[in-house]
Amino acid sequence: EDQVTQSPEALRLQEGESSSLNCSYTVSGLRGLFWYRQDPGKGPEFLFTLYSAGEEKEKERLKATLTKKESFLHITAPKPEDSATYLCAVQAGRLISGSRLTFGEGTQLTVNP
Amino acid sequence: NAGVTQTPKFQVLKTGQSMTLQCAQDMNHNSMYWYRQDPGMGLRLIYYSASEGTTDKGEVPNGYNVSRLNKREFSLRLESAAPSQTSVYFCASYRDSGASTEAFFGQGTRLTVV
Repeated sequence: EDQVTQSPEALRLQEGESSSLNCSYTVSGLRGLFWYRQDPGKGPEFLFTLYSAGEEKEKERLKATLTKKESFLHITAPKPEDSATYLCAVQAGRLISGSRLTFGEGTQLTVNP
Repeated sequence: NAGVTQTPKFQVLKTGQSMTLQCAQDMNHNSMYWYRQDPGMGLRLIYYSASEGTTDKGEVPNGYNVSRLNKREFSLRLESAAPSQTSVYFCASYRDSGASTEAFFGQGTRLTVV
């Protein structure tokens, strides 16, 4: 059974204080690892897909990395507008063949001015 | 470019009432999914449709039915609502091209069953 564990559950940072969120996973044959941002009352917003160990992707102050067992979402010099819940999900196998995404419970990030 | 559109955004039902949640995507994606999100439980898959004409159960299908009306639309029906179905429901669509996967969510339907 695919499993995704995110840590910490909640993280409070000061503006400009860089940190990382962790996503540990157990999956048979990783096809993709997804990161989403979710604001209160909104649907998850797609950030990145990572496909293989060693891959990195960046978007503004966010950088996602992937190893064989975990992914990190690094936040550099965060701003209050980065406050949100960050979700991680894994995909094993092709979607057309019935594979589905398994989500972690998320990390709630608060950035104080 | 609307992406994934869900209706309604909010709904209050009495126990035993029925309703259908609508979802439409304009990205020509093959796969569509229905999730529910509850505090402390994360996103749980209810039903999905890997391609037009097919539907399958996810983790928590009891009390729900789905219809993949065409490639664009995927509806979720509650035949006899129960308080345990109070939740936020999200529809998502995915395109898995083989080389990459795109996955996008709607804005959600907040359902309360009293």
